[in-house]
Formats: sequence, structure tokens, C-alpha cells
Amino acid sequence: DAKTTQPPSMDCAEGRAANLPCNHSTISGNEYVYWYRQIHSQGPQYIIHGLKNNETNEMASLIITEDRKSSTLILPHATLRDTAVYYCGGAGNNRKLIWGLGTSLAVNP
Amino acid sequence: DAGITQSPRHKVTETGTPVTLRCHQTENHRYMYWYRQDPGHGLRLIHYSYGVKDTDKGEVSDGYSVSRSKTEDFLLTLESATSSQTSVYFCAISEPSPGAYVGTIYFGEGSWLTVV
Repeated sequence: DAKTTQPPSMDCAEGRAANLPCNHSTISGNEYVYWYRQIHSQGPQYIIHGLKNNETNEMASLIITEDRKSSTLILPHATLRDTAVYYCGGAGNNRKLIWGLGTSLAVNP
Repeated sequence: DAGITQSPRHKVTETGTPVTLRCHQTENHRYMYWYRQDPGHGLRLIHYSYGVKDTDKGEVSDGYSVSRSKTEDFLLTLESATSSQTSVYFCAISEPSPGAYVGTIYFGEGSWLTVV
């Protein structure tokens, strides 16, 4: 099971891109990387997942390095409503979905 | 939003009593997960299921048991609740997606459990 590490907190200016890193140096070849976020006092919200190719959806982009030891979640134009705790995690062929401790992102006006 | 219902949403119970939390889904998704979330922490995996009657332990399974007798229901039981099990419990569901063992993840709204 991949162990993920993230910086505990980050700041971002409103309208700018927020780049949230995740280190997963022990990830195995079949493990995907997943992200979710949790806005204060709300439930978790899934964002995106990927294996080795860059992925993009309506919420964010996920860039995974070629050696797959780290990834970056990109919120292209952060808004105040993106202030939340962002978690990365992994799951492989055992379907065991484990999460890290998260990064608290503050988007400032 | 995916049809996930957790019950009860809020419960206060006494130490030593058994408690069962239910996660019900209408999506026919194969994978179901139980997590707990404590202040200042993210989700920690308790148990998960990859099919009917197929379950496995997570990171913090001591003191918890689960059952999945049908696709739509995943039950989490605290056999003898302790104060350390006071937490918010989240259920999650998923299905394989093209190329991924676990696809999009849908979370329930949480069950707040207080053990006094």
C-alpha cells in the first residue's frame, strides 16, 4: 500500500492556479493515485484519479511524474470556494483505498 | 449524486453497548468502504468490501466488524463501543473504471457517533 505525504498547508491567491503536491515514492506499479477534498464541516468530495498519464476533468488536473513517485493536483483558477483540505491516496489491485493526512489550502482574496 | 444513505446519522451510545452503522447504496457498485474521521485527521480505512461476503481489514480495524450479505448494504458493527470510537464515520462506494481497479468514489454524508 502506497504511503502518501503532503505539505500540511498552502496558500493561493484567488484566480491563480493552486498546485498541490503529493509524494508517493513507495507506490507500486498497479496503484492509482486518487484525490478528494473536504470543505470545512462538509463531507468528502472526490476530485480525480490517475495512473501515469495526466488527467483532467471539470474540477482539476492531475499531473503524475514519469517515475510515478509524486503527483500534483492543479486547480487552474482557484476561487474562495476551493478553500478546503485536499487529500491524496492510492489503491491498487487489492482495492484498498488509503488516504494521506492532507493539505489545508487557503485561497486568499 | 450517488445514492448513498448512511444510518443513523447521529447516535449517542454508552460504553460497552453494541452499535451498528448501515451504509446503503442504490448504485449497485461493487466496492464499499468504511472510514472514520477524527479531528485534525483525514479518513482512515476501517474495513472494505470488494463484493458480497468479500471483506478485508483496513488500517484501523480493531474493535470493528463488518458484513455484506447483499450488494446494497455494508454494515459496520462496534461489538462493544468504547470512548475511543467516538468519531465521524463515512461510507464510500466505487466501481472499477476503464483501466482502474477503483474508479470514481462517492462518499456518504457521515454518521456522527458519540460513545459516553
